[in-house]
Amino acid sequence: EDQVTQSPEALRLQEGESSSLNCSYTVSGLRGLFWYRQDPGKGPEFLFTLYSAGEEKEKERLKATLTKKESFLHITAPKPEDSATYLCAVQGNYKLSFGAGTTVTVRA
Amino acid sequence: GAVVSQHPSWVICKSGTSVKIECRSLDFQATTMFWYRQFPKQSLMLMATSNEGSKATYEQGVEKDKFLINHASLTLSTLTVTSAHPEDSSFYICSASFADNEQFFGPGTRLTVL
Repeated sequence: EDQVTQSPEALRLQEGESSSLNCSYTVSGLRGLFWYRQDPGKGPEFLFTLYSAGEEKEKERLKATLTKKESFLHITAPKPEDSATYLCAVQGNYKLSFGAGTTVTVRA
Repeated sequence: GAVVSQHPSWVICKSGTSVKIECRSLDFQATTMFWYRQFPKQSLMLMATSNEGSKATYEQGVEKDKFLINHASLTLSTLTVTSAHPEDSSFYICSASFADNEQFFGPGTRLTVL
């Protein structure tokens, strides 16, 4: 069965303090690795899709990278509005499997 | 990106009653819709996958007679929780995709069963 493990569970950052979130995965037939942002009481908001090892994608202060076993979401100089839960998911042959998420809190 | 809506955004019901949640793709035709459930501080768990005009495929451990899914058109899927009980209280999220592409998620429905 496909498995996704995210670490840390929670991350408290000072505004401007860069950090990285980790997503480790095992999947049979990776068809894509997805990063989503989820605000409290809301559905996931799509951020990135990565398809192959070595691929990188950037959007504003976020950058996602992918290896054969894990993905990282780098947050550069975060702002309070970046506070959210970040979800990682892998699309295998059958379905999209999610990790439990990393809750990021950025203090001004 | 594509827009998916859910209605209602929250619902409170008495134990033993049935509740229907709607999921609509507003600006594209969704060949497949998915229903997830999310408990506090846990990941999204896939409940079922539905293709327009055919029966839904349920994940192991999900009771198909309790969670009725209807995907009557390319823009609408419904989830009916029958004879709801307090343990069914959760955050239900739908998603929609076209031709096996990425999934776009709705805003979720908070169900509370008293």
